[in-house]
Amino acid sequence: AQRVTQPEKLLSVFKGAPVELKCNYSYSGSPELFWYVQYSRQRLQLLLRHISRESIKGFTADLNKGETSFHLKKPFAQEEDSAMYYCALSLFSNQGGKLIFGQGTELSVKP
Amino acid sequence: NAGVTQTPKFQVLKTGQSMTLQCAQDMNHNSMYWYRQDPGMGLRLIYYSASEGTTDKGEVPNGYNVSRLNKREFSLRLESAAPSQTSVYFCASSEAGRRDYNEQFFGPGTRLTVL
Repeated sequence: AQRVTQPEKLLSVFKGAPVELKCNYSYSGSPELFWYVQYSRQRLQLLLRHISRESIKGFTADLNKGETSFHLKKPFAQEEDSAMYYCALSLFSNQGGKLIFGQGTELSVKP
Repeated sequence: NAGVTQTPKFQVLKTGQSMTLQCAQDMNHNSMYWYRQDPGMGLRLIYYSASEGTTDKGEVPNGYNVSRLNKREFSLRLESAAPSQTSVYFCASSEAGRRDYNEQFFGPGTRLTVL
């Protein structure tokens, strides 16, 4: 069965510290993975997608097929990074695309 | 461009009452989705519509019905609300043309409380 697991409900770090939000997936095919972010009082929005191999707001995520992981990392956390982060797995068929979300990790960056 | 809009923003129901949550998008997207968000559970897909005229069950469809009224609008109906349906409901839409670029755009959410 397809599943996304984010083991940490809450991650609290100090400003300037490195951050790693964990995401593990279970999927028999070739995975397409995303990170979505929800800032306070804002809509859920796409942060980055694995296929693009891009860095957004200093965040990167590398797909590790051997460990079935897609951890989100940032070398120096900022207070404005405080938000809810969701890892998501894309499923696609001729019936359209669905996302399977993890449980979410709340990141709190303290001054 | 309003993106994805949802009404109402807040709603309180009594057990057994019915209501419809409305969703509309102005991005000409083919696919639309309804999720519920509960603490510690993440977002769970209730129903989705890959294209106008089609709807399919997601992970947690029991107690809900949907209607894809046209390409823009996708409504979610609770026929007989239960306290377990207390949640925040999100509507989303996507182009859904490619799996690796399956970016979904979300509405602001509806906070529903069932007493």
